[in-house]
Amino acid sequence: DAGITQSPRHKVTETGTPVTLRCHQTENHRYMYWYRQDPGHGLRLIHYSYGVKDTDKGEVSDGYSVSRSKTEDFLLTLESATSSQTSVYFCAISENRGSGNTIYFGEGSWLTVV
Amino acid sequence: GENVEQHPSTLSVQEGDSAVIKCTYSDSASNYFPWYKQELGKGPQLIIDIRSNVGEKKDQRIAVTLNKTAKHFSLHITETQPEDSAVYFCAAGDSGGGADGLTFGKGTHLIIQP
Repeated sequence: DAGITQSPRHKVTETGTPVTLRCHQTENHRYMYWYRQDPGHGLRLIHYSYGVKDTDKGEVSDGYSVSRSKTEDFLLTLESATSSQTSVYFCAISENRGSGNTIYFGEGSWLTVV
Repeated sequence: GENVEQHPSTLSVQEGDSAVIKCTYSDSASNYFPWYKQELGKGPQLIIDIRSNVGEKKDQRIAVTLNKTAKHFSLHITETQPEDSAVYFCAAGDSGGGADGLTFGKGTHLIIQP
């Protein structure tokens, strides 16, 4: 357990509305990530953060923004949700356990855009 | 960027038999290769990983082999049990963290037949 909590776990929203997903970690990890998971595509990186206020884009960043004002919280925002953003969103952290860094995932947030 | 191919997409084996899942990667700079198991409705769970300084690693019934020359790595599960049924993902990246995170294969649905 890497101490990752995602909220909300499930959400249904309407097209065009803003949505924010929250990732909270309790172990002071520097690196945090947001992935989305879709059938036939596996897990794809949306954005990542390497410190407070330090973020960068991943493979599928269009339509998403992120913020990290505190070490423990990494927020993912869909400015204007679209049906193509219906997906399962996973937050992850990178932790060094001696032999190198390892990535651990949260339990996911299921988002449906109708 | 990195590209990871995973085969097969579905694998059905008899309980007690062995299962092998194979992945290839494209970026010779990748040096970290984890495997994740995902059960329905849950986040991916790390089950084993290997770094490029070794060719094989074993943990009870699970083993991973790495061939850096050919850029492929494999997951081996022996004496399969019903609880091994899940979706398995391979991934490749740079030391398991930092910028870029990991690049994932599209997953293998492993079915253990009683």
